[in-house]
Amino acid sequence: DVKVTQSSRYLVKRTGEKVFLECVQDMDHENMFWYRQDPGLGLRLIYFSYDVKMKEKGDIPEGYSVSREKKERFSLILESASTNQTSMYLCASSPGTDNTGELFFGEGSRLTVL
Amino acid sequence: DQQVKQNSPSLSVQEGRISILNCDYTNSMFDYFLWYKKYPAEGPTFLISISSIKDKNEDGRFTVFLNKSAKHLSLHIVPSQPGDSAVYFCAAILFTSLIFGKGTTLSVSS
Repeated sequence: DVKVTQSSRYLVKRTGEKVFLECVQDMDHENMFWYRQDPGLGLRLIYFSYDVKMKEKGDIPEGYSVSREKKERFSLILESASTNQTSMYLCASSPGTDNTGELFFGEGSRLTVL
Repeated sequence: DQQVKQNSPSLSVQEGRISILNCDYTNSMFDYFLWYKKYPAEGPTFLISISSIKDKNEDGRFTVFLNKSAKHLSLHIVPSQPGDSAVYFCAAILFTSLIFGKGTTLSVSS
């Protein structure tokens, strides 16, 4: 079974704090993704990565950065958290050769910024 | 501009009846479509997919229909069960990006 693990299920941070969200997958997938889910807005892509040290902006990259130093790990960084970044963050992975688009998601990290 | 649209935010169905969830898209370059299901406090899970060269794909109680001329796809669940109550996301692939709709919340009452 593919497993995508997000390190924190629930976080509460203060405005201006730096926030790290970690994601690890155990299936040697090339592709990794960070989405955020908000009511009425669906899933929106923040950043994705096709390989180690590679990253591409998604639809809403502003206020975020990412790091992929190892194949299995993809980190999302909020340099200075703001209240409008309160959301559910979802990490996903997929095989590089699979063009059917099936993503394997983690359980999500619910971030609240006060 | 939304490329994948789920115009019904919610749908309520009685147990045993058919649930039909709809999805419209605007980009004719999409070559693969998927449906994901999401329970609260869990990540989305893949449900069923369809290639743009097909018009129907079936997996147990779930069938996805694709009408390319209308740029429309639908997910049929027959018979609906209370455990099907979840948010359903339609998604489309463009090159290597997966674009999601906003989701439809399905409630199945017993």
